[in-house]
Amino acid sequence: DIVLTQSPATLSLSPGERATLSCRASQAVSNFLVWYQQRPGQAPRLLIYDTSNRATGIPARFSGSGSGTDFTLTISSLEPEDFAVYYCQQRVDWPYTFGQGTKLEIK
Amino acid sequence: QVQLVQSGAEVRQPGASVKVSCKTSGYIFLTYYIHWIRQAPGQGLEWMGVINPTGGSPTYARKWQGRVTMTTDTSTSTANMELSDLSFEDSAVYYCTREGQLLPFDSWGQGTLVTVSS
Repeated sequence: DIVLTQSPATLSLSPGERATLSCRASQAVSNFLVWYQQRPGQAPRLLIYDTSNRATGIPARFSGSGSGTDFTLTISSLEPEDFAVYYCQQRVDWPYTFGQGTKLEIK
Repeated sequence: QVQLVQSGAEVRQPGASVKVSCKTSGYIFLTYYIHWIRQAPGQGLEWMGVINPTGGSPTYARKWQGRVTMTTDTSTSTANMELSDLSFEDSAVYYCTREGQLLPFDSWGQGTLVTVSS
């Protein structure tokens, strides 16, 4: 199975700052890397699919990049509603796997 | 609009089974795979498996093979996930979600809390 490792586990930033979240895969996943946001008590929400494509309704401050085994989610200027947990997921092959998550908290 | 509406919270004893349903609407049921994801309290997301509503055998994650059964009912556009031989570690929120040809999990059910308690 493909293991996804996210870093950091927790990121403490202030509104308006830039956030950079990392996801590393144990083997190449082509561009089939996806990012989700999960707020407390809610289902995950699709943010970015296939490395860099924003899902419908996702603000332009969210962007994704990377290739092969190393991927990044960037939030250019944090809004209060962006403080949540972020998961990466690979969908190159079953079993699909998720990273362990990065908690983005208010500093 | 697209909706995936799951059945309500369940409490089971160890060794019992639980069946969670996921009723879909707002799209053509046959054109999207249904996946099931588990989230234990305070933990991350775990992929359990996938089923193609048009037919064929589901694919299950190794961890749950032998205990999980995924089915669909095309007459009601509903997917079901049954987990047997429950243990305390199976207490979690179970989500259904859909995957299309282009888009991954773009719509999710609201989650079903399963509590295993003696």
